Amino acid sequence: EEQLVESGGGLVQPGGSLILSCAASAFTVSSSLMSWVRQAPGKGLEWVSGMHGGGITLYADSVKGRFTISRDLSKNTVFLQMYSLRPDDTAMYYCARAPGQARFRFDLWGRGTLVSVSS
Amino acid sequence: DIQLTQSPFSLSASVGDRVTITCRASQSSGSELNWYQQKPGKAPKLLIYGASSLQRGVPSRFSGNGFGTDFALTITSLHPEDFATYYCQQTYSVPYTFGQGTILEIK
Repeated sequence: EEQLVESGGGLVQPGGSLILSCAASAFTVSSSLMSWVRQAPGKGLEWVSGMHGGGITLYADSVKGRFTISRDLSKNTVFLQMYSLRPDDTAMYYCARAPGQARFRFDLWGRGTLVSVSS
Repeated sequence: DIQLTQSPFSLSASVGDRVTITCRASQSSGSELNWYQQKPGKAPKLLIYGASSLQRGVPSRFSGNGFGTDFALTITSLHPEDFATYYCQQTYSVPYTFGQGTILEIK
């Protein structure tokens, strides 16, 4: 069964760092656009970052220069390294898959991992 | 960035009703517009992709249409499990923005 499992969330102080992981099962992350989407408490969805199957990386302006998306193909896992965290980065972070190389649709989602940025 | 504006913000309806949610883009998104359903405490679920294609496993009472800047999601004959929040998303250009969401509540 195809599955995404996120981990790595937690409580971190403003200015701190955190690394989120998204482990994929039953498909290869290099065949899809893998993305991180976040949702602040009580708010809507915000696309944060993505990595194409070919390795091209994409970022929302709100995280550019502070977040880095990467992957380990041997582990079939995608990562989101988050630096200089701010209170407004507090959110549930979802990993999502969009198969193929165009006309993206996010058809598989993980359950999310919660990031709280607070002193 | 392409901004997506959904209408209405919230909607009260009864089981068996037909409802339509609209999504307007600030610039053309072609047909690269997806619709998701989200229930409290759960991840979003893909309903419609490419503006009008039904995702496998999604009931046929869900349908989508539109092109360019104006899109709509229609649910015919609401079922109790359809009460949720609905989001549109464009994947025409980066960043892949979402609408603000429409809360569908039971009347």
